[in-house]
Amino acid sequence: QSALTQPASVSGSPGQSITISCTGTSSDVGSYNLVSWCQQLPGKVPKLMIYDDAKRPSGLSNRFSASKSGNTASLTISGLQAEDEADYYCCSYTSSGTMIFGGGTKLTVL
Amino acid sequence: EVQLVESGGGLVQPGGSLKVSCAASGFSFSGSAMHWVRQAPGKGLEWVGHIRSKPNSYATAYAESVKGRFVISRDDSKDTAYLQMDRLKTEDTAMYYCARPRGEYSGTYYDCWGQGTLVTVSS
Repeated sequence: QSALTQPASVSGSPGQSITISCTGTSSDVGSYNLVSWCQQLPGKVPKLMIYDDAKRPSGLSNRFSASKSGNTASLTISGLQAEDEADYYCCSYTSSGTMIFGGGTKLTVL
Repeated sequence: EVQLVESGGGLVQPGGSLKVSCAASGFSFSGSAMHWVRQAPGKGLEWVGHIRSKPNSYATAYAESVKGRFVISRDDSKDTAYLQMDRLKTEDTAMYYCARPRGEYSGTYYDCWGQGTLVTVSS
């Protein structure tokens, strides 16, 4: 099964908003409300940012939000800050009972 | 505090075997599924597989890329999960993370990751 499709890179200036897309199929992203997003800072371990399509873990900044339409999920980061510069991965539960990740998107804060 | 600590990584020749471990603490390990995720150098995350808890018959599932070569097991008395890797290929070179899943079924997102253990397959 191929990875979910994410743009390789996105960029934005401090204070701006950016959106990262994650496209799958009706067997994964489109099947359940079970898309999650994680952030991986350089040299660090992934960190959960969003789960169940659009829920934020307790304590996470509300600058991070997510949505989904059909087979495409999206992560939006508003009020960009330098500390947001990282790789972002979407992940989905699949109808086969497995998990699948996106290829990752490198966010550059200009 | 929930903590996962991987160990056992190292250098192995193509065709060889290696077993890595994931020691858990700070939560009810026996009641949780456990997943393995890997990341090749400079590449993205790839789901490797999972093992469910005893009430779910310790059921396992694997990515197609490792099916038939990798086996996930667990020892609930030691709060430890294992990843046995056989017939290793150079493309299996990666950082291997264990991750605690949350949510329904076998887990649908990860709220805690270990620091990873590096497996290098090279002659």
